[in-house]
Amino acid sequence: AQSVTQLDSQVPVFEEAPVELRCNYSSSVSVYLFWYVQYPNQGLQLLLKYLSGSTLVKGINGFEAEFNKSQTSFHLRKPSVHISDTAEYFCAVSVFLSSGSARQLTFGSGTQLTVLP
Amino acid sequence: DVKVTQSSRYLVKRTGEKVFLECVQDMDHENMFWYRQDPGLGLRLIYFSYDVKMKEKGDIPEGYSVSREKKERFSLILESASTNQTSMYLCASSISGLLYEQYFGPGTRLTVT
Repeated sequence: AQSVTQLDSQVPVFEEAPVELRCNYSSSVSVYLFWYVQYPNQGLQLLLKYLSGSTLVKGINGFEAEFNKSQTSFHLRKPSVHISDTAEYFCAVSVFLSSGSARQLTFGSGTQLTVLP
Repeated sequence: DVKVTQSSRYLVKRTGEKVFLECVQDMDHENMFWYRQDPGLGLRLIYFSYDVKMKEKGDIPEGYSVSREKKERFSLILESASTNQTSMYLCASSISGLLYEQYFGPGTRLTVT
């Protein structure tokens, strides 16, 4: 079974500072990797995705993530955060359902990023 | 813009009641999903549907059922609500072949007393 671990449940950071949100996964097969963001009182939206190719992927709002196969990691980074980046961030991996008929997303437990003025 | 709407933002029900959560998407997506979101546990898949009248169990289907009679609508049913089903319920949809690129509704916070 695949699993996703987000090592930090809460990350406070000052405005304009850099941030890294950590994500590790376990899988015996190739995976697709994703970061979703949930702003307060809203549903999740896709921030970025790794399917294949370049291991550095860029997403919306200045975020990027790097796929590291040897470390089984997919950490999310932003060089300078804004107050508006305050949200919960979920790492996710795409796996096969037990029936083999489709691929579902398995989510991590989430990291609450709070940007302080 | 894809829009996924859920019938209620907040719902309070009593133990033993039958509860219906409705989800509608307006982009003709084939796939629809129901998740529950709990603090510290992230999102867990309850059920998934890849076509009208078709469904697949997710990770935690016990105590839930689903119905998809029309392509745009996917209902989650709690046959006999229990207090451990108090949670945030999120609906999502995606096009066929892009199962992982999901569009989410705003969620329904269900409290069972």
